[in-house]
Amino acid sequence: GESVGLHLPTLSVQEGDNSIINCAYSNSASDYFIWYKQESGKGPQFIIDIRSNMDKRQGQRVTVLLNKTVKHLSLQIAATQPGDSAVYFCAENPYNFNKFYFGSGTKLNVKP
Amino acid sequence: DVKVTQSSRYLVKRTGEKVFLECVQDMDHENMFWYRQDPGLGLRLIYFSYDVKMKEKGDIPEGYSVSREKKERFSLILESASTNQTSMYLCASSLGGRTAYEQYFGPGTRLTVT
Repeated sequence: GESVGLHLPTLSVQEGDNSIINCAYSNSASDYFIWYKQESGKGPQFIIDIRSNMDKRQGQRVTVLLNKTVKHLSLQIAATQPGDSAVYFCAENPYNFNKFYFGSGTKLNVKP
Repeated sequence: DVKVTQSSRYLVKRTGEKVFLECVQDMDHENMFWYRQDPGLGLRLIYFSYDVKMKEKGDIPEGYSVSREKKERFSLILESASTNQTSMYLCASSLGGRTAYEQYFGPGTRLTVT
C-alpha cells in the first residue's frame, strides 16, 4: 500500500500553545488529503481537507499546509485545548477517487 | 450532520461463527466503506460499495464479504470468524462521483473472536 507516515507518534503540548502535527506521503500523484481526529472509543472525525491545487487551508483554529515539493502535510492547531487531546491522522487519495490511504496516527496530549 | 451508525459497539464471537456487522447512514451517500483498525497499522480498507448491489475489494478482503441491498445500509460479513479478525471495525460513507470527498465514520464495532 501507499506510505503515509507521521514523523512523531506522540506529541505533548501545553494548553494554550500551538500544535503542529506532520505527515509525509509518498505518491506525488495524490491530489486530495484529509486530517482526521479520533478520540478514545470513537470513530475518526473529519477535521479539514485540502486539494493539491492549494498550499494552505484554514478552518476554525486549524490550518493545513501542503508542500507538494517535499510531499509533506501538516496540521496546525492554534491555542490547543484539553479537548484537542486525541489521535490525529492524515489520509491521502492517490489515484482512485474511492480509495484513501491512512497513516497510523499521532497521539496529541494536551497538558493543563 | 451526517450520521453513520453501527449495529454494535462491542461484540464477542467464537471461532467459526458467522458474524454480521451492520452500518446505516442517513445522508443519501452513494459510497460506503468498511475498514479495520489495528494498533500500529492504521485503517485498512476491506471493501467498499459505490452503489446498491455494487462492491469492490479493498486491500484486505480475504475472509470477508459484504452486502448492499439498500443505499443506506452496508453489511460486513465474516463467513467463519477467526481470532486474527479480532479488531476494531469502522464503517464510513461519502458522496459519490469521480471526485474524492471526505468520508464520515461511524463509532466503530470492537469485535473479539475467542
